Amino acid sequence: AQKVTQAQTEISVVEKEDVTLDCVYETRDTTYYLFWYKQPPSGELVFLIRRNSFDEQNEISGRYSWNFQKSTSSFNFTITASQVVDSAVYFCALSESSGGSYIPTFGRGTSLIVHP
Amino acid sequence: DAGVTQSPTHLIKTRGQQVTLRCSPKSGHDTVSWYQQALGQGPQFIFQYYEEEERQRGNFPDRFSGHQFPNYSSELNVNALLLGDSALYLCASSLGGTQPQHFGDGTRLSIL
Repeated sequence: AQKVTQAQTEISVVEKEDVTLDCVYETRDTTYYLFWYKQPPSGELVFLIRRNSFDEQNEISGRYSWNFQKSTSSFNFTITASQVVDSAVYFCALSESSGGSYIPTFGRGTSLIVHP
Repeated sequence: DAGVTQSPTHLIKTRGQQVTLRCSPKSGHDTVSWYQQALGQGPQFIFQYYEEEERQRGNFPDRFSGHQFPNYSSELNVNALLLGDSALYLCASSLGGTQPQHFGDGTRLSIL
Protein backbone atom coordinates (compact mmCIF):
# COMPACT_ATOMS: atom_id res chain seq x y z
CA ALA A 1 0.00 0.00 0.00
CA GLN A 2 1.16 3.51 -0.57
CA LYS A 3 0.23 6.66 1.20
CA VAL A 4 1.01 10.35 0.94
CA THR A 5 0.48 12.74 3.82
CA GLN A 6 0.33 16.48 3.44
CA ALA A 7 -0.30 17.58 6.99
CA GLN A 8 -0.69 21.27 6.17
CA THR A 9 -4.22 21.86 4.96
CA GLU A 10 -3.79 25.57 4.36
CA ILE A 11 -0.88 28.00 4.56
CA SER A 12 -1.25 31.76 4.42
CA VAL A 13 1.76 34.01 3.81
CA VAL A 14 2.49 37.55 2.74
CA GLU A 15 4.17 38.16 -0.59
CA LYS A 16 7.98 37.77 -0.57
CA GLU A 17 7.94 35.34 2.33
CA ASP A 18 9.51 31.92 1.89
CA VAL A 19 7.19 28.96 2.39
CA THR A 20 7.76 25.21 2.67
CA LEU A 21 5.10 22.63 1.87
CA ASP A 22 5.61 19.30 3.60
CA CYS A 23 5.08 15.85 2.12
CA VAL A 24 5.63 12.54 3.86
CA TYR A 25 5.13 9.26 2.05
CA GLU A 26 4.94 5.56 2.82
CA THR A 27 5.93 2.75 0.50
CA ARG A 28 7.49 -0.69 0.71
CA ASP A 29 8.91 -0.47 -2.79
CA THR A 30 12.51 0.46 -3.43
CA THR A 31 11.65 1.88 -6.86
CA TYR A 32 9.13 4.66 -6.94
CA TYR A 33 8.52 8.18 -8.15
CA LEU A 34 7.54 11.30 -6.27
CA PHE A 35 5.77 14.27 -7.83
CA TRP A 36 4.55 17.74 -7.06
CA TYR A 37 1.62 19.26 -8.94
CA LYS A 38 0.08 22.73 -8.72
CA GLN A 39 -3.68 23.22 -9.10
CA PRO A 40 -4.77 26.82 -9.66
CA PRO A 41 -8.47 27.75 -9.36
CA SER A 42 -8.96 26.84 -13.04
CA GLY A 43 -8.68 23.19 -12.03
CA GLU A 44 -5.86 21.98 -14.26
CA LEU A 45 -3.11 20.09 -12.47
CA VAL A 46 0.23 21.53 -13.53
CA PHE A 47 3.21 19.18 -13.34
CA LEU A 48 6.11 20.69 -11.39
CA ILE A 49 8.62 17.94 -10.75
CA ARG A 50 9.22 14.20 -10.75
CA ARG A 51 11.89 12.51 -8.67
CA ASN A 52 12.84 8.84 -8.74
CA SER A 53 13.71 7.00 -5.57
CA PHE A 54 17.36 6.62 -6.51
CA ASP A 55 18.03 10.32 -6.93
CA GLU A 56 18.19 12.18 -3.64
CA GLN A 57 19.80 15.28 -5.07
CA ASN A 58 17.96 18.43 -4.17
CA GLU A 59 16.67 20.40 -7.10
CA ILE A 60 16.19 24.09 -7.68
CA SER A 61 14.17 25.65 -10.45
CA GLY A 62 13.97 29.40 -10.19
CA ARG A 63 12.12 30.22 -6.96
CA TYR A 64 11.17 26.58 -6.45
CA SER A 65 13.28 24.00 -4.66
CA TRP A 66 12.70 20.45 -3.53
CA ASN A 67 14.30 18.50 -0.70
CA PHE A 68 14.07 14.70 -0.97
CA GLN A 69 15.15 12.72 2.09
CA LYS A 70 14.65 8.97 2.00
CA SER A 71 15.75 8.65 5.62
CA THR A 72 12.66 10.54 6.71
CA SER A 73 10.45 9.59 3.72
CA SER A 74 9.91 13.22 2.94
CA PHE A 75 9.79 15.27 -0.23
CA ASN A 76 9.33 18.89 0.76
CA PHE A 77 8.76 21.82 -1.56
CA THR A 78 9.96 25.35 -0.88
CA ILE A 79 8.92 28.51 -2.66
CA THR A 80 11.31 31.38 -2.15
CA ALA A 81 10.06 34.96 -2.23
CA SER A 82 6.45 33.91 -2.76
CA GLN A 83 4.21 35.81 -5.16
CA VAL A 84 0.45 36.19 -5.40
CA VAL A 85 0.49 34.01 -8.54
CA ASP A 86 1.77 31.14 -6.40
CA SER A 87 -1.64 30.94 -4.73
CA ALA A 88 -2.99 27.48 -5.54
CA VAL A 89 -3.45 24.02 -4.13
CA TYR A 90 -0.28 21.96 -4.24
CA PHE A 91 -0.36 18.19 -4.39
CA CYS A 92 2.37 15.74 -3.60
CA ALA A 93 2.03 12.31 -5.22
CA LEU A 94 3.75 8.94 -5.08
CA SER A 95 3.74 6.19 -7.67
CA GLU A 96 5.07 2.67 -7.71
CA SER A 97 5.29 0.47 -10.76
CA SER A 98 2.13 -1.56 -11.24
CA GLY A 99 1.79 -3.62 -14.40
CA GLY A 100 4.40 -1.50 -16.11
CA SER A 101 2.62 1.73 -15.39
CA TYR A 102 3.18 4.31 -12.70
CA ILE A 103 -0.13 5.52 -11.32
CA PRO A 104 0.26 8.41 -8.86
CA THR A 105 -1.46 8.39 -5.50
CA PHE A 106 -2.09 11.95 -4.42
CA GLY A 107 -2.07 13.54 -1.01
CA ARG A 108 -4.98 15.72 0.06
CA GLY A 109 -3.20 18.87 -1.00
CA THR A 110 -2.03 22.05 0.70
CA SER A 111 -3.81 25.27 -0.14
CA LEU A 112 -1.32 28.13 -0.35
CA ILE A 113 -2.65 31.66 -0.11
CA VAL A 114 -0.21 34.46 -0.82
CA HIS A 115 -1.43 37.90 0.21
CA PRO A 116 -0.13 41.04 -1.49
CA ASP B 1 0.67 22.44 -29.43
CA ALA B 2 -2.65 21.74 -27.73
CA GLY B 3 -2.53 20.24 -24.31
CA VAL B 4 -5.09 17.87 -22.85
CA THR B 5 -8.61 19.04 -23.66
CA GLN B 6 -11.77 17.91 -21.92
CA SER B 7 -15.43 18.45 -22.66
CA PRO B 8 -17.80 19.59 -21.44
CA THR B 9 -16.48 22.03 -18.85
CA HIS B 10 -19.50 21.76 -16.61
CA LEU B 11 -22.38 19.32 -16.47
CA ILE B 12 -25.48 19.02 -14.32
CA LYS B 13 -27.31 15.71 -14.08
CA THR B 14 -29.87 14.11 -11.81
CA ARG B 15 -29.61 10.89 -9.87
CA GLY B 16 -29.99 7.75 -11.95
CA GLN B 17 -28.94 9.37 -15.20
CA GLN B 18 -25.94 8.44 -17.30
CA VAL B 19 -23.12 10.74 -18.38
CA THR B 20 -20.27 10.67 -20.90
CA LEU B 21 -17.17 12.81 -20.51
CA ARG B 22 -14.61 13.27 -23.27
CA CYS B 23 -10.87 13.78 -23.41
CA SER B 24 -8.36 14.48 -26.15
CA PRO B 25 -4.78 13.78 -25.10
CA LYS B 26 -1.82 16.02 -25.63
CA SER B 27 -0.30 15.62 -29.08
CA GLY B 28 2.11 12.68 -29.14
CA HIS B 29 0.64 11.00 -26.07
CA ASP B 30 -0.87 7.52 -26.28
CA THR B 31 -1.99 6.80 -22.72
CA VAL B 32 -5.02 8.32 -21.04
CA SER B 33 -5.93 8.17 -17.37
CA TRP B 34 -9.06 9.38 -15.60
CA TYR B 35 -9.30 10.72 -12.06
CA GLN B 36 -12.12 11.79 -9.78
CA GLN B 37 -11.45 14.73 -7.47
CA ALA B 38 -13.99 15.42 -4.77
CA LEU B 39 -14.05 18.84 -3.15
CA GLY B 40 -11.10 19.33 -0.83
CA GLN B 41 -9.48 16.03 -1.79
CA GLY B 42 -6.68 14.88 -4.03
CA PRO B 43 -7.47 13.19 -7.34
CA GLN B 44 -8.40 9.50 -7.11
CA PHE B 45 -7.39 7.20 -9.96
CA ILE B 46 -10.30 5.64 -11.87
CA PHE B 47 -8.62 3.82 -14.76
CA GLN B 48 -6.00 4.05 -17.48
CA TYR B 49 -6.26 3.26 -21.17
CA TYR B 50 -3.48 2.27 -23.53
CA GLU B 51 -3.82 0.83 -27.02
CA GLU B 52 -7.61 0.97 -26.66
CA GLU B 53 -7.53 -1.38 -23.67
CA GLU B 54 -8.09 -0.70 -19.99
CA ARG B 55 -4.64 -1.31 -18.55
CA GLN B 56 -5.23 -0.47 -14.91
CA ARG B 57 -8.21 0.27 -12.73
CA GLY B 58 -8.62 1.94 -9.38
CA ASN B 59 -11.17 1.17 -6.70
CA PHE B 60 -14.28 2.32 -8.54
CA PRO B 61 -17.49 0.36 -9.23
CA ASP B 62 -18.46 -1.02 -12.61
CA ARG B 63 -20.79 1.95 -13.10
CA PHE B 64 -17.63 3.70 -14.22
CA SER B 65 -16.51 2.55 -17.65
CA GLY B 66 -14.38 3.95 -20.39
CA HIS B 67 -13.17 3.69 -23.90
CA GLN B 68 -10.17 4.74 -25.91
CA PHE B 69 -10.37 5.37 -29.63
CA PRO B 70 -7.74 4.73 -32.32
CA ASN B 71 -6.79 8.44 -32.24
CA TYR B 72 -6.04 8.01 -28.49
CA SER B 73 -8.96 10.15 -27.36
CA SER B 74 -11.03 8.71 -24.57
CA GLU B 75 -14.45 8.72 -22.95
CA LEU B 76 -15.51 8.17 -19.38
CA ASN B 77 -19.03 6.86 -18.86
CA VAL B 78 -20.82 6.81 -15.55
CA ASN B 79 -24.16 5.01 -15.21
CA ALA B 80 -26.83 5.26 -12.53
CA LEU B 81 -25.43 8.50 -11.17
CA LEU B 82 -25.37 9.02 -7.41
CA LEU B 83 -25.11 12.25 -5.46
CA GLY B 84 -21.63 11.15 -4.41
CA ASP B 85 -20.47 11.19 -8.02
CA SER B 86 -20.44 14.98 -7.91
CA ALA B 87 -16.81 15.91 -8.45
CA LEU B 88 -14.22 17.31 -10.80
CA TYR B 89 -13.23 14.64 -13.33
CA LEU B 90 -9.71 15.01 -14.61
CA CYS B 91 -8.19 13.43 -17.66
CA ALA B 92 -4.44 13.01 -17.93
CA SER B 93 -2.30 11.85 -20.82
CA SER B 94 1.25 10.61 -21.11
CA LEU B 95 3.56 8.85 -23.51
CA GLY B 96 3.43 5.31 -22.21
CA GLY B 97 2.82 4.59 -18.57
CA THR B 98 6.10 5.78 -17.11
CA GLN B 99 6.28 9.38 -18.22
CA PRO B 100 4.78 12.26 -16.21
CA GLN B 101 1.09 12.82 -16.83
CA HIS B 102 -0.28 16.06 -18.21
CA PHE B 103 -3.73 17.03 -16.99
CA GLY B 104 -6.66 18.79 -18.57
CA ASP B 105 -8.80 21.44 -16.89
CA GLY B 106 -11.38 18.86 -15.92
CA THR B 107 -15.14 18.48 -16.17
CA ARG B 108 -17.10 19.58 -13.15
CA LEU B 109 -20.04 17.21 -12.71
CA SER B 110 -22.89 18.13 -10.39
CA ILE B 111 -25.58 15.63 -9.48
CA LEU B 112 -28.91 16.96 -8.22
